[in-house]
This record gives sequence, C-alpha cells and structure tokens, in this order.
Amino acid sequence: IAGITQAPTSQILAAGRRMTLRCTQDMRHNAMYWYRQDLGLGLRLIHYSNTAGTTGKGEVPDGYSVSRANTDDFPLTLASAVPSQTSVYFCASSAGGAADTQYFGPGTRLTVL
Amino acid sequence: AQTVTQSQPEMSVQEAETVTLSCTYDTSESDYYLFWYKQPPSRQMILVIRQEAYKQQNATENRFSVNFQKAAKSFSLKISDSQLGDAAMYFCACLLAGYALNFGKGTSLLVTP
Repeated sequence: IAGITQAPTSQILAAGRRMTLRCTQDMRHNAMYWYRQDLGLGLRLIHYSNTAGTTGKGEVPDGYSVSRANTDDFPLTLASAVPSQTSVYFCASSAGGAADTQYFGPGTRLTVL
Repeated sequence: AQTVTQSQPEMSVQEAETVTLSCTYDTSESDYYLFWYKQPPSRQMILVIRQEAYKQQNATENRFSVNFQKAAKSFSLKISDSQLGDAAMYFCACLLAGYALNFGKGTSLLVTP
C-alpha cells in the first residue's frame, strides 16, 4: 500500500520557470490538500479539493494553481516560480467527511533561485 | 478564524521519562477536532493522536495521551516512557468541520539517553 506519493523528492528551480509538483494517492480518498511548510511557520494550506472536479483556495494560494481531473491525482503548479516559494510542499488526503483525518505524503523540497 | 498556539519551541526529555507538550487553540465553533502530528527528521508527517471536541474522555494511543480541556481550549500531549525514536517536531492542529487543518508552529522534542 503506497498511500500518498509525491514527485519529485526535491528540486532546484530557476526563478521564472514553471514547475508542477505531482501528488497521487491510492486510498480512493475524496479530499486532497496542498500545504507548504516554512521554518517557524508550521504548515499552511495552499489549495484543496473536496472531490474530483472541484478545487478551493486555502490560506496562501497566490502564485499556485491546482487541478483535480480524477480522484487519485492532485498536481500543484507554479506558473512562474519566485524565491519566496522556496519551501517544503506536502500533499495530504482524507476520506472526505467533515471530520476525517488527513494523511500526508513524504513532501517535496523546492528551492527557487 | 482560528489560531493554534504552541508556546514551547523546544523541549527536552530523558529517555524513559515523561514529557508534556502544550497546545492552545482559539475557535468559536463547538464542533471541531484536534490532532497531534509527529515529524521526524525523515520529514514524514505522522498522525500521533486525534481528539473529538464532543468527547469528554481524553484520547490515548499507547504511550501517547492528551489532556483536553475544552473550556480552557487546551490540548496538551503527554508522552510517557520516552524513547529515542520519539525525537521529532510535534505539531498540534485543529480541524473545523468542513475546513482544512490549522497548524501550530511546532515543538521540537529532544530525547537524551
């Protein structure tokens, strides 16, 4: 059972480049989330999706976009990366109920130079 | 809006001893859920324990237990018989029904032999 996989594990990116972080889950969870983790700030929600075909904005959505074409995949795209987007990015999923526990992927460390 | 506060950036405990990590939260909602996640150096976010706000009984998972004081909006984590493998960053989080997790900034736990 893989759970949630994220790719790449880490990436160094030049500012201005486009980048897509991939997230796939095999638990048939309805809801998926993207968080960024910055030192001293904990985890902050970027975007979420309650079910395939729908997405919503979280606390820090600017500069990021997401899509949810199917249940399993929830890619996060940086259209034109900036240094302030240097962070560790976590994808998470939950079964979809209002109180369901979220389970996290292993994270992607992104450095924007 | 809701906030989650972890007032202890760092804590230290000797192996086999007990340590308590503090967390307070602020919400006007009556229906919510509280979590403790562990993040070891591997970066993986691991669920430690979960508490439903409507339950008076404190949650327990093996050596991990919580002291949930709803009126005080306090949700502390007690780790008994601490082990070297417990060394990690611990995050407290609050989930309002239908919303995403709101995390505290974390407490770094050091376990000394």
